Formats: sequence, C-alpha cells, structure tokens
Amino acid sequence: AQRVTQPEKLLSVFKGAPVELKCNYSYSGSPELFWYVQYSRQRLQLLLRHISRESIKGFTADLNKGETSFHLKKPFAQEEDSAMYYCALRWLRGGADGLTFGKGTHLIIQP
Amino acid sequence: EAGVTQFPSHSVIEKGQTVTLRCDPISGHDNLYWYRRVMGKEIKFLLHFVKESKQDESGMPNNRFLAERTGGTYSTLKVQPAELEDSGVYFCASSQVWGHYEQYFGPGTRLTVT
Repeated sequence: AQRVTQPEKLLSVFKGAPVELKCNYSYSGSPELFWYVQYSRQRLQLLLRHISRESIKGFTADLNKGETSFHLKKPFAQEEDSAMYYCALRWLRGGADGLTFGKGTHLIIQP
Repeated sequence: EAGVTQFPSHSVIEKGQTVTLRCDPISGHDNLYWYRRVMGKEIKFLLHFVKESKQDESGMPNNRFLAERTGGTYSTLKVQPAELEDSGVYFCASSQVWGHYEQYFGPGTRLTVT
C-alpha cells in the first residue's frame, strides 16, 4: 500500500528565513506527488504538482525518485505562508484514483 | 465559478442517530471523492465516483457508511447509526476529467458524535 510521511508536525521559522517541509513516500507505481495547503479558515487547495515543475508563491518541490522524496522549499519565508501543508500522492487502481495524504505540517512564520 | 459546496458545515448528533452529508461538486465535474480526517490522523480516502458509478469504495470504514450519487450530480454520505469514532471532518472533492488532474476540495463538514 502507498504511504506518505511528513515527519514534522510543526515547523516554526522567522520571516525571511528559508523553509523546507519534508515529504517522503512509498508507492509501487509511478508516483504523482502534490502539495496542498490550507490557510486559516479556508479550504484545502492545490499548491504544487510535481508534473508541472512550476513555482507557486515562491515555493518549489522536486521529485527525487531515488530518495522517494518530494520536499517543499522556499528561500525566503513570508508571514502569509503560515498554514497547514499536506503532501499527497495520487494512486491509481483500475478505473479509480485517489489521494493519500501525509499527516500535514503546520508552518508558522514568525515576524 | 462556484466551488465545491458541502452541507451542513457542522453537525452534532448523538451516538446511534443517522446523519446525511451532502456534497455538490463543481458543475461538469464527473469525478467526485469523499475523504475524512479524524482527530489526530491524516486525511483518508473514502471513495471515488465517476458520474453515478462507484469506482472504488475501499476506504469506507464499514457498512454503516453509504454513499450515493444519483444522476451523477450531487452526492450524499449517510452514516447510520453513528458511532463516537465517526467524529471528524468529512471532505468532498471533485475533478473534471480523469487525466487532467486537480482535485478541488469543499470546505468540509465537521461531524461530532456525542
């Protein structure tokens, strides 16, 4: 069965400092990885997907198949980045799919 | 464009009662998913609909849970009878087509069973 691990429950950094949220996965198929974010009082929304290889709000994430990791990085944290971040893996099974989530990392950016 | 909507936003019921949660996906989205987060745990997949057909319901906890999507539009998730361990936040998500992948999430329904 697939699994997503986010080792940090809480990460607190100062504004302007670099941020790295860790994510490791296990999956027997070809992985599709995502980062979802939930800001206070808002719904879960997609931040990044590895296929796009894009930078959103200054965040990037690279899929490392050798290390089975998909860490989320930002060089200079901003206060508005404070939120819950979830790493997710898309699995496929016949005609069905779904997301397996990590437990989430609560990122707090201190002024 | 309206996003995924869920009703109610919060439900408090007693153990043994029945509750029905509703999800309205984004118009035109054939794929509809239910997820659940119980206290202290990760968000977990419950099931996947394509139009009105259940593609995978392997995540449904037990036969007290019944999901339907009549007509391939909105979906309901019924819990009967509710148990204390059913408390949590139930999320619905939808996506347009299977290959073009982004799941749009609703705000969730917080279910409290007392």
